[in-house]
Amino acid sequence: DAGITQSPRHKVTETGTPVTLRCHQTENHRYMYWYRQDPGHGLRLIHYSYGVKDTDKGEVSDGYSVSRSKTEDFLLTLESATSSQTSVYFCAISEPSSPLHFGNGTRLTVT
Amino acid sequence: AQTVTQSQPEMSVQEAETVTLSCTYDTSESNYYLFWYKQPPSRQMILVIRQEAYKQQNATENRFSVNFQKAAKSFSLKISDSQLGDTAMYFCAFMKSYGGSQGNLIFGKGTKLSVKP
Repeated sequence: DAGITQSPRHKVTETGTPVTLRCHQTENHRYMYWYRQDPGHGLRLIHYSYGVKDTDKGEVSDGYSVSRSKTEDFLLTLESATSSQTSVYFCAISEPSSPLHFGNGTRLTVT
Repeated sequence: AQTVTQSQPEMSVQEAETVTLSCTYDTSESNYYLFWYKQPPSRQMILVIRQEAYKQQNATENRFSVNFQKAAKSFSLKISDSQLGDTAMYFCAFMKSYGGSQGNLIFGKGTKLSVKP
């Protein structure tokens, strides 16, 4: 799994509550990403980071924020979870011009 | 903007036979990478094969090979001697090879492949 750990693996939360998902890598890769996977949509990029404290928005960033205070950790926060954010969330890492390696995903259910 | 299209939502193949999964993409870029990822029921995303656009030679990895047609913007995956463990969702993906969005993978919606005994 290329040294990527996502936590938690599963989470159920209520609408309106804040949620933070964590991605931890041991590969010292420069780039880190958060994707969401939904039926009929494949994987879509939420946010990505190209270095400590350097982040940018992806295709579906509304309602999400991220932080990267250390090379190895990339946090995804849902400030106020909504049912439309029920999804499987994948973290990925890469070096420039190299394939992305993915974590095992977090299944988030917002009730 | 780049788009990736997989026109076959589902496919099935008999064990030991050969199957080809289709992928087309749209881009104005000249330098990019193309990938096939496999997602078995375990949910893990596994890199199957990678192709650099500047290379004319088609990439191969054991039983997996691609047919890369740059002018036609086509990138199909051929699986030879299909095995039960090949049962999975297969995603085609595109990545620019330079610039601020380097590393941003654009995925197709996937093809669900079932290998039957």
